[in-house]
Amino acid sequence: GQNIDQPTEMTATEGAIVQINCTYQTSGFNGLFWYQQHAGEAPTFLSYNVLDGLEEKGRFSSFLSRSKGYSYLLLKELQMKDSASYLCAAPTGTASKLTFGTGTRLQVTL
Amino acid sequence: NAGVMQNPRHLVRRRGQEARLRCSPMKGHSHVYWYRQLPEEGLKFMVYLQKENIIDESGMPKERFSAEFPKEGPSILRIQQVVRGDSAAYFCASSPQRATDTQYFGPGTRLTVL
Repeated sequence: GQNIDQPTEMTATEGAIVQINCTYQTSGFNGLFWYQQHAGEAPTFLSYNVLDGLEEKGRFSSFLSRSKGYSYLLLKELQMKDSASYLCAAPTGTASKLTFGTGTRLQVTL
Repeated sequence: NAGVMQNPRHLVRRRGQEARLRCSPMKGHSHVYWYRQLPEEGLKFMVYLQKENIIDESGMPKERFSAEFPKEGPSILRIQQVVRGDSAAYFCASSPQRATDTQYFGPGTRLTVL
């Protein structure tokens, strides 16, 4: 089965850096996804990691350590529009469905 | 280049009525997934379909819920005899291949059962 854990809420200041952690326990590993979801809207794809290490995409970076069952999403130069929920998700061993964590609600303040 | 389309965006039903939710995948995508998001909870997988086939329905409630993806037309998630606990956001996602490919989500249908 799959078990994905992430903090429920975080607060950070505009212009700062924030790291959102995700730990997972899976029966098989097929990579890890991060999605952003603004309130009342659809999740939008941010990143997909299948190999260990850091992948950078502009202000957003995602890190994976398969041996530790751990990933994080790093957001730099925070903007007010980054206030959203950030969802960590993993495909199952049969790779037919995504199991999501409960999401981390990030509040960016002035 | 349209993304995943879902309609209606908002649906209100009284207890006991039927709810029918539609999803058109992105062009070129033949795999459709339905997820449910209850208020203040995470997304939960319901069903995975390809054209004319249900591949994985392990997340579907055993009664009242059904899904199809016909050869022509959108995928349909049908909820019969709705109850208040069915009130949720229902999201459809599509991918070119399987879930190891990125799934792209539609805007969701928000179902409210009175």
